Amino acid sequence: GENVEQHPSTLSVQEGDSAVIKCTYSDSASNYFPWYKQELGKRPQLIIDIRSNVGEKKDQRIAVTLNKTAKHFSLHITETQPEDSAVYFCAASSAFGNEKLTFGTGTRLTIIP
Amino acid sequence: SAVISQKPSRDICQRGTSLTIQCQVDSQVTMMFWYRQQPGQSLTLIATANQGSEATYESGFVIDKFPISRPNLTFSTLTVSNMSPEDSSIYLCSVVQGLGYGYTFGSGTRLTVV
Repeated sequence: GENVEQHPSTLSVQEGDSAVIKCTYSDSASNYFPWYKQELGKRPQLIIDIRSNVGEKKDQRIAVTLNKTAKHFSLHITETQPEDSAVYFCAASSAFGNEKLTFGTGTRLTIIP
Repeated sequence: SAVISQKPSRDICQRGTSLTIQCQVDSQVTMMFWYRQQPGQSLTLIATANQGSEATYESGFVIDKFPISRPNLTFSTLTVSNMSPEDSSIYLCSVVQGLGYGYTFGSGTRLTVV
């Protein structure tokens, strides 16, 4: 089955700097890659996703890049703000809507004011 | 995106008892997923619930311990049976509504077994 690895497990960034979180997946059939943000005591919230037919997607300060050949994808947050502090999870699925998500281990991002 | 009502939000239960968690979705969805999230950990899929068929369980999870019902396209329950302190965790349901919406999660049930 699919295995998703995520690095780093913790990340501290000065406010205003950029943060990058990386994930690798094992199943070449995976074609959907979402990123979730989970604040303490809250449910995971989808912040951005990408499909395998696209190499990059951007939404304001957040971007995701995908390298299908290397089987890795990354989350980029620019101009970080204190409210970006949370745990971020990457995930992968082989058939959007008809298949489970396999999650990475999570990255605890701390923005230092 | 779909709105999911999950309850109870939290419970403290005695070991050996069972707890049933409910998820109600405001629209019809084909698949519902049940996850467990232990403190400080990632989300682990317990099972996938399709309406009208037996749930599909992931390795390490069995129907006798986590029976699931899916009576219609908007509702599902997960029961945690014969609980032990190791079952203390957050349990979340999840659905996917369609392209552009992604997978949405319920608010979770925080279970403590004493």
